[in-house]
Amino acid sequence: QSVLTQPPSASGSPGQRVTIACSGSSSNIGSKFVYWYQQVPGAAPKVLISRNDQRPSGVPDRVSGSKSGTSASLVISGLRSEDEADYYCATWDNSLSAWVFGGGTKLTVL
Amino acid sequence: EVQLVESGGGLVQPGGSLRLSCAASGFTFSRHWMHWVRQAPGKGLVWVARLDGDGSSTTYADSVKGRFTISRDNAKNTMYLEMKSLRAEDTAVYYCARENGYDDSFDIWGQGTLVTVSS
Repeated sequence: QSVLTQPPSASGSPGQRVTIACSGSSSNIGSKFVYWYQQVPGAAPKVLISRNDQRPSGVPDRVSGSKSGTSASLVISGLRSEDEADYYCATWDNSLSAWVFGGGTKLTVL
Repeated sequence: EVQLVESGGGLVQPGGSLRLSCAASGFTFSRHWMHWVRQAPGKGLVWVARLDGDGSSTTYADSVKGRFTISRDNAKNTMYLEMKSLRAEDTAVYYCARENGYDDSFDIWGQGTLVTVSS
């Protein structure tokens, strides 16, 4: 059971907007930065969002992240077929003294 | 080109040992914290261990503490994961990842190496 909770699946049609939530606690999301990773099937993960809402170079601006209290969200606007992938939130947990990942959300573009 | 290449995976019997390697190139290896992250077949990402730039500070997930040892040789630009007392639940693709020194993200990942623990 993951310390960070994500919905197992999400979906949307091309051009639509989808939101993926990540819920934690005061020992992780509530006090630490949140990161989001994208993993296309068969490939290594890639960082999409760092420090709650920062986009690394090369990540399109239709991807955004936010954090409020002990929850975080990843929003992908203008959905495209290439967005079909697994998405993971991650952060440091002070109680566990460990990095923790959410269980992952499989995004399907209909 | 900045890259990480893992090696050393394979089939090992329960209770056995294996050493994974992660060869780095294209960046100043000694300046970065490095991590191991694993992914069981069809499952999500799970953080395993990390160590700092000179290898003096290490942290482990509870599930591997006392069985796995993370280390590095900066002269060879290589990180290692020594795995002992392996269990079926350790079966996974093991990724090495670089921690970005500015924002702490895992910004570079290797392609992964598969470890299968089975008799």
